[in-house]
Amino acid sequence: GIQVEQSPPDLILQEGANSTLRCNFSDSVNNLQWFHQNPWGQLINLFYIPSGTKQNGRLSATTVATERYSLLYISSSQTTDSGVYFCAARNYGGSQGNLIFGKGTKLSVKP
Amino acid sequence: DTGVSQDPRHKITKRGQNVTFRCDPISEHNRLYWYRQTLGQGPEFLTYFQNEAQLEKSRLLSDRFSAERPKGSFSTLEIQRTEQGDSAMYLCASSLQDKQYFGPGTRLTVT
Repeated sequence: GIQVEQSPPDLILQEGANSTLRCNFSDSVNNLQWFHQNPWGQLINLFYIPSGTKQNGRLSATTVATERYSLLYISSSQTTDSGVYFCAARNYGGSQGNLIFGKGTKLSVKP
Repeated sequence: DTGVSQDPRHKITKRGQNVTFRCDPISEHNRLYWYRQTLGQGPEFLTYFQNEAQLEKSRLLSDRFSAERPKGSFSTLEIQRTEQGDSAMYLCASSLQDKQYFGPGTRLTVT
């Protein structure tokens, strides 16, 4: 099945800094989502982005499907951005239900 | 849009007991998914329903696990004869098409 790898595994930022999180996947995808998991475990949808670029406030994401990677950009980071960011993907021909998650990037934003 | 809800949010049980979790998806969503997440890992797929039909089951879903969605609305996940290795966060998600929305999860601790 598809492999999903995220980098870096851990990231520490000073409040106000910008960051880029990367997600590599091993096969063509028809579903790619970015999530933020808060300290209580809730997975919050950030982007549904199997291809192209989207922006939502201080966050934006780009997926280059032909090169099998996606990037999540966080600008002017805030302490509330802390948590674990997951990328999840499903490949063409893969099972309908099965989103494959990466291991996540743990982000800590210091005041 | 009330979101995906799960009940209970936390469950502590003794090894060997049976437990049942409930998931209520977003009302118009016909697809429902169960995932399991252990500490430091991304969620892993367990099973998937389209309406009341269970279309996929992961190898992680041993014969002690059973899931139902009898009327195509809410779903239950039962674990029989719990083991300490079953301790995890159990996440439910729903979708109308590809984009999955996650509930807050049920955290199971088996003592």
